[in-house]
Amino acid sequence: DAGVIQSPRHEVTEMGQEVTLRCKPISGHDYLFWYRQTMMRGLELLIYFNNNVPIDDSGMPEDRFSAKMPNASFSTLKIQPSEPRDSAVYFCASSGPAYGYTFGSGTRLTVV
Amino acid sequence: DAKTTQPPSMDCAEGRAANLPCNHSTISGNEYVYWYRQIHSQGPQYIIHGLKNNETNEMASLIITEDRKSSTLILPHATLRDTAVYYCIVRVNAGGTSYGKLTFGQGTILTVHP
Repeated sequence: DAGVIQSPRHEVTEMGQEVTLRCKPISGHDYLFWYRQTMMRGLELLIYFNNNVPIDDSGMPEDRFSAKMPNASFSTLKIQPSEPRDSAVYFCASSGPAYGYTFGSGTRLTVV
Repeated sequence: DAKTTQPPSMDCAEGRAANLPCNHSTISGNEYVYWYRQIHSQGPQYIIHGLKNNETNEMASLIITEDRKSSTLILPHATLRDTAVYYCIVRVNAGGTSYGKLTFGQGTILTVHP
């Protein structure tokens, strides 16, 4: 298994632009999580899905952030419009019948 | 989920055992203790988890006190590649299926030196 796959690995965009981060979870995993990591705030859970349904989005910072999971093998996190304070590493993780989460390698987002 | 307390940093000599403590004095009876680590620039990695018995796998051992208010993660022979941030997390499991969300604290920065 290739693990959790995130794309792109790095994204540099200008303030005000739309940014879309992508995630492919491990096949058979029924939970998917989006986290954000910054030096100041550490790892924060933004939203998670179970069987493609959003369960808890209380960590989504603003309406500028949205996440979708149209099917079991794909999820997106969108920021529109982006702001410099959104600069962070965004991680996707999935989990299934076995204990423990598997994280992707992350997307490093820089908004200038 | 119960709150955990970990030292902000620890050092360990290469080849020696690294013992990372975690306090979780408000843990509930149905909450498990999980350990993850994050090596620089990578996503967090699952290490081990337990409920009340001591656990061991190929990566580490987990010792949970009898009252379950604290635990220790043991890396028996630390290497330079074990330098990372180690997170202790307590959360509920629902049966045999991963359940709910995982909340990370600040963790312990472990530095393994030659």
